[in-house]
Amino acid sequence: NAGVTQTPKFQVLKTGQSMTLQCAQDMNHNSMYWYRQDPGMGLRLIYYSASEGTTDKGEVPNGYNVSRLNKREFSLRLESAAPSQTSVYFCASISVAGPSGGYEQYFGPGTRLTVT
Amino acid sequence: GDSVTQMEGPVTLSEEAFLTINCTYTATGYPSLFWYVQYPGEGLQLLLKATKADDKGSNKGFEATYRKETTSFHLEKGSVQVSDSAVYFCALSSNSGNTGKLIFGQGTTLQVKP
Repeated sequence: NAGVTQTPKFQVLKTGQSMTLQCAQDMNHNSMYWYRQDPGMGLRLIYYSASEGTTDKGEVPNGYNVSRLNKREFSLRLESAAPSQTSVYFCASISVAGPSGGYEQYFGPGTRLTVT
Repeated sequence: GDSVTQMEGPVTLSEEAFLTINCTYTATGYPSLFWYVQYPGEGLQLLLKATKADDKGSNKGFEATYRKETTSFHLEKGSVQVSDSAVYFCALSSNSGNTGKLIFGQGTTLQVKP
């Protein structure tokens, strides 16, 4: 199993350009998440998809859109990149987001994005 | 809303020293608590977890106890190694809404010197 994979690993964009970050998991997980990681701020949730066909906003959704293409894939799109979106982006998945809340999230290796 | 606060780093220790990284949380209800570790250039990996009060999570010599009375989940290790150098994140998962969302602390960088 590859777990959670992300592409690309690195990307440099100019202000105003668009791009899509890809994420796929092969663990048959229902829920998937996009986070951004900034120095001194931990990880903040951008969007999540509790199950195939649903998406919801997280803490910092502005400037982003997502698509849950199927159960395996969850993409994050920047329509018009801004320098404030320079960050490391992580995708994660979880088997079941049940009432106990004790399930482990599995993380991809991250995409390091720089917007100039 | 829910939040997690970790002690600021970086924390620099000599090999075989005792480690404590403080973590406190604010949440309604009974969240699950986690410690994740991030090695340089990698994603996050679960280190340990606890799902109810007084539970102790442990893994690879690290331990943390869920203390509801002090709303804390401090990470400890009796003897650190150079290979433990990494960023450590405390996180909680609220039990409401069944979303599985995690709320992270800001991370604490640990550097262990030989």
